[in-house]
Amino acid sequence: AIQLTQSPSSLSASVGDRVTITCRASQGISSALAWYQQKPGKAPKLLIYDASSLESGVPSRFSGSGSGTDFTLTISSLQPEDFATYYCQQFNNYPHSLTFGGGTKVEIK
Amino acid sequence: EVQLVESGGGLVQPGGSLRLSCAASGFTFSSYWMSWVRQAPGKGLEWVANIKQDGSEKYYVDSVKGRFTISRDNAKNSLYLQMNSLRAEDTAVYYCARAFVYPIVGASQEAFDIWGQGTMVTVSS
Repeated sequence: AIQLTQSPSSLSASVGDRVTITCRASQGISSALAWYQQKPGKAPKLLIYDASSLESGVPSRFSGSGSGTDFTLTISSLQPEDFATYYCQQFNNYPHSLTFGGGTKVEIK
Repeated sequence: EVQLVESGGGLVQPGGSLRLSCAASGFTFSSYWMSWVRQAPGKGLEWVANIKQDGSEKYYVDSVKGRFTISRDNAKNSLYLQMNSLRAEDTAVYYCARAFVYPIVGASQEAFDIWGQGTMVTVSS
């Protein structure tokens, strides 16, 4: 099964900072990757699909990049509402084995 | 409004059974693959199972194979998860999610675009 490793597992940042989160796949998955944001007690929210396509309604400060095994989620200017946990998910073997990364918690510095 | 609402969670003893439901509204339920995703307390997300539009294909994470059964009733716009032989490690919030297929140049790509609010399942004696 394909494994996804996110780094860092947590980070502290200030409002206005540029934040980058990495997701590495154990084997090549082309661009079959999505990113989600989850706030405490809430369901995940889709941010990015196909590694770099922005979901409708998601602010343009969020962007995704990468292909193959290495992917990044970037928040260009961190806003107060962006403090949350972020997960990547691969769809390479869809509909089989749709694994998630371990998550990255973005906290206020 | 496009919406998924889960129900059926609760406290169950190890070895027991529980059936979760997910009611869909605001979209053509029968046109989408649907999934269950769970999250143990303080832990990350884990995909559990998914089911094709007509119910003819079903897939499961290894840890629940033979114990959990995903099903759907398109006439009732509902998704289900029958959970048997429950273990402490099945304790989690269970979410249902819709798999949307995004058309991209020369292909398509999936993602879970709609999620329910979740229902808590606690397995404990």
